[in-house]
Parts: sequence; structure tokens; C-alpha cells
Amino acid sequence: TQLLEQSPQFLSIQEGENLTVYCNSSSVFSSLQWYRQEPGEGPVLLVTVVTGGEVKKLKRLTFQFGDARKDSSLHITAAQPGDTGLYLCAAPRDSSYKLIFGSGTRLLVRP
Amino acid sequence: SAVISQKPSRDICQRGTSLTIQCQVDSQVTMMFWYRQQPGQSLTLIATANQGSEATYESGFVIDKFPISRPNLTFSTLTVSNMSPEDSSIYLCSLRLSEETQYFGPGTRLLVL
Repeated sequence: TQLLEQSPQFLSIQEGENLTVYCNSSSVFSSLQWYRQEPGEGPVLLVTVVTGGEVKKLKRLTFQFGDARKDSSLHITAAQPGDTGLYLCAAPRDSSYKLIFGSGTRLLVRP
Repeated sequence: SAVISQKPSRDICQRGTSLTIQCQVDSQVTMMFWYRQQPGQSLTLIATANQGSEATYESGFVIDKFPISRPNLTFSTLTVSNMSPEDSSIYLCSLRLSEETQYFGPGTRLLVL
């Protein structure tokens, strides 16, 4: 069974701090996606990483796909209250079109 | 990108009743999906809604409990039948525009008393 494990589960930090969220698996994936879900909304796609070792930046967010395509990280620099939300990683199950989701990381950025 | 709307946005229902959730997309898409997000949990795929044929259900989900319709390429419904408090969740429809791009609707928040 393919699983995606995220850590930490919860994170409460002060505005301006940096943080890293991890998404790990024992399985190899063809690609991996990161979503952010705010209260009362559906998940919004932030980025898709495809190549092992790939690094993508989205303003203050940096996403990295592991060399072996088994893990990924999301680093946020100088977090802001607007970054508050549930961060989810997701990957195609068995290289199909069906996504499996990680357990999620709930981030609270305090002003 | 795509615009996805869901109705209702939230509902409170009594045990034993059924609720039909609608998902409307602003463009024609081949692949639509229904997910469940239980309180404090991540997303679990319920089924793939196939246009013109029966939905394909994931392990642990059955058609009698979650009947799905897909009458055309822009619309789908999910019914939660004979509800119990364990069905209290957020139900989300999503669509796949490309191999690497999947979009989600805003979700329907269901509370079963």
C-alpha cells in the first residue's frame, strides 16, 4: 500500500519565522503535488514536482522533490498569517490518475 | 484553470435521510472525482465519476451508499444515502485537466445528527 506521511502534523509559529514541512514515502512516485486548504475551502494546487531533485519556488515557498522521488519538502521563509492553512502533499497512486493524499500539516502563523 | 461550484455548501441532516450534492464545472472535462474529508483528516477518494457509464468506486465505498450521476461533461452529483453521524464530513468534487493538474471544488460540509 502506498502511503504518504507528513510531518509535523501541527505547527504554530510566529510571523516572520521559517518552517519546513516534510512528505515521506517508501514508494517511488512519478510526480508529487502540494496543496493548501484554507478553512471553508477546497484544496488549492500550489505546485507539481516531477523530476528527482527538482526545486521549485513560489514567492516565499520553496518545494523540493527528493532525488529518489520518494519524498518532498516545503519550506516557507518569513511566514505570514496568510500562510495559515492545511498543507497537503499528494501523489498519483500506482502511476494512475488517482491521487493519494498525505495526512496533512496544519500551520498556524500568529501575528 | 477551472471554476468548480458545489451545492449545497453545507447542510445539517437527520440520521436515515439522504442528501444529493451537486458539482458544476465551467468547462467540459473527462475525469471528475468525488472525495471525502472526515473531520481533521486528509482526503480519501470515493469514486471516479464517468460520463455515460457507472462510477468506479474505491475500496470501502459502494454504489448503494454513494450513488453518483454524471449526465454530461460539466456536471455530476453524489448522493449520501441513509446517513449516519459517521458520514459527517466534507465532500469534495474535483476534476483532472492534465496529468499533473487536479482542481477541487469548495466542498460541501455535511453534519449528520
